Amino acid sequence: AQTVTQSQPEMSVQEAETVTLSCTYDTSESDYYLFWYKQPPSRQMILVIRQEAYKQQNATENRFSVNFQKAAKSFSLKISDSQLGDAAMYFCAYRSPPVGSNYKLTFGKGTLLTVNP
Amino acid sequence: SQTIHQWPATLVQPVGSPLSLECTVEGTSNPNLYWYRQAAGRGLQLLFYSVGIGQISSEVPQNLSASRPQDRQFILSSKKLLLSDSGFYLCAWSVPWGEKLFFGSGTQLSVL
Repeated sequence: AQTVTQSQPEMSVQEAETVTLSCTYDTSESDYYLFWYKQPPSRQMILVIRQEAYKQQNATENRFSVNFQKAAKSFSLKISDSQLGDAAMYFCAYRSPPVGSNYKLTFGKGTLLTVNP
Repeated sequence: SQTIHQWPATLVQPVGSPLSLECTVEGTSNPNLYWYRQAAGRGLQLLFYSVGIGQISSEVPQNLSASRPQDRQFILSSKKLLLSDSGFYLCAWSVPWGEKLFFGSGTQLSVL
């Protein structure tokens, strides 16, 4: 079974600084997707960024970028110019190949990010 | 546009009482539907998913069950709640073969 590990239960960053959240995963598949989801205090899950395993280029979305190391099975999230609104729980997730029309997401335990003013 | 509704937002129930959480999706047809549970200090655990009416797949043996009586309605139930059923329950949907999950706002269930 696939597993997703986030080794940092909590992280903190100063406003306007850069922070990197770590994620590793275990899989025997070659084709898959990886995601970072954000869960602010409202607890609404929000998709931050996604990466297709077959793409070597790292995904970027404005201030959010990933460092995808397929051989090392590592998928870290970098947040640049951190803002107070970035404070949230961040979950790394792995999407396995489909069973029928269904894709299943496996989530890590999350990293709680605090942004200090 | 598509929207997902989940209710109630908060629920406090005594041990041994029944449970019914409801989730509906609007603006799409034949979605894949999911129930996740988020326990304190842990990630999201997939409980059930459904790819069509009456089709339910269970991921984790437990005290809960799910049903999909209509295309865009997904219900999470229990006949007798346990203390260990406490947690934050999230409903989600995706298009078939879609890689993105869209989540509801969640239900905080406290079993006392």
